[in-house]
Amino acid sequence: ETGVTQTPRHLVMGMTNKKSLKCEQHLGHNAMYWYKQSAKKPLELMFVYNFKEQTENNSVPSRFSPECPNSSHLFLHLHTLQPEDSALYLCASSPNRGANYGYTFGSGTRLTVV
Amino acid sequence: AQKVTQAQTEISVVEKEDVTLDCVYETRDTTYYLFWYKQPPSGELVFLIRRNSFDEQNEISGRYSWNFQKSTSSFNFTITASQVVDSAVYFCALSDQGGSEKLVFGKGTKLTVNP
Repeated sequence: ETGVTQTPRHLVMGMTNKKSLKCEQHLGHNAMYWYKQSAKKPLELMFVYNFKEQTENNSVPSRFSPECPNSSHLFLHLHTLQPEDSALYLCASSPNRGANYGYTFGSGTRLTVV
Repeated sequence: AQKVTQAQTEISVVEKEDVTLDCVYETRDTTYYLFWYKQPPSGELVFLIRRNSFDEQNEISGRYSWNFQKSTSSFNFTITASQVVDSAVYFCALSDQGGSEKLVFGKGTKLTVNP
């Protein structure tokens, strides 16, 4: 079992729906990240959390709302999304803020907005 | 600003061929870290290697090898005797002080190994 678990693996939602993506890590890491991976685009960092506090928001639209209740769990709340938001959303964690030891990634949630 | 370029978008080889995936990076820092990740169809990014800027020794791990050359700002990845299971998207990434130690990824190279 991967150290970073994401649920659901696949999600189809309408533009008026509200849904949430969940990420859980069992590695004792203190930093967690949300990435967006669209077709033919580089991986885009969305949010960074360190010790439950958001330390970075890369100009992400407000229809994406992250939540980090503790260092082991990270959520991404979605509402009134657009079709162009369809992508693979990847969660990652690292021992502390900073990528010098690399990140551990989950398997992602494949989101389709219809 | 930091940047990672993977010029090869897609590569297709026949099983048992050797294949090299190119990675060129840009950074103003003298201390930085380079990574390779593999993304199979399942979606998860799997860590392959981490290399710091002070260690230019090439590394070999089974059929995988990495060639780090600071003079050309390159960190290339070679798979020897490729196998079908090597089919995946491979990402090169950089972390440096100037980028607040975040991982910056290249666009990835899709490798297809045909039987």
